[in-house]
Amino acid sequence: EAAVTQSPRNKVTVTGGNVTLSCRQTNSHNYMYWYRQDTGHGLRLIHYSYGAGNLQIGDVPDGYKATRTTQEDFFLLLELASPSQTSLYFCASSERGRGNTLYFGEGSRLIVV
Amino acid sequence: GEQVEQRPPHLSVPEGDSAVIICTYTDSATAYFYWYKQEPGAGLQLLMSVFSNVDRKEEQGLTVLLNKKDKQLSLNLTAAHPGDSAVYFCAVRRSSNTNKVVFGTGTRLQVLP
Repeated sequence: EAAVTQSPRNKVTVTGGNVTLSCRQTNSHNYMYWYRQDTGHGLRLIHYSYGAGNLQIGDVPDGYKATRTTQEDFFLLLELASPSQTSLYFCASSERGRGNTLYFGEGSRLIVV
Repeated sequence: GEQVEQRPPHLSVPEGDSAVIICTYTDSATAYFYWYKQEPGAGLQLLMSVFSNVDRKEEQGLTVLLNKKDKQLSLNLTAAHPGDSAVYFCAVRRSSNTNKVVFGTGTRLQVLP
């Protein structure tokens, strides 16, 4: 069974704060993604990666950095958090060539006050 | 870029009735289509995926229809039961040379006992 684990599950920070969201997958997948979920917008792609050291820009990258340190680990960094980044963040992984089914973590809820 | 509209945003049906969710996409080169289900407090899980050469696919009480002429994708839950209550998302991918998946805005389905 595919497994994607996110941490922390919940985080509250202040405006201007520094936040790192972590994601680890044990699926041996090449691709990893960070999405944010907001009411009325569905899921929007922030960044994605097809391997360690690789980073691809998604559709809503402003204010976010990401780093893929290993095949298993993908981090999302908010260096100067703003209230507009209050959201539910999902990490996902996939293996190209198998229909690209995305396997999701359980989400990280971030509140920026 | 690709845009996906999903409707309705909310849907309530009595147990045993059918529920239909429709997505409209913009890019005629879209080749892969997905339906995901999100239960409360959880990540998304794949329900069904179809390739563009398929017009209709049925699995376990779910029917996916693809109308490429109108760029429309639909999900029909026949004989819905309370366990089907969740948020449903459609998603599309342009072709095999990209792993970028674009999601619809989601439909919150409530099946009333």
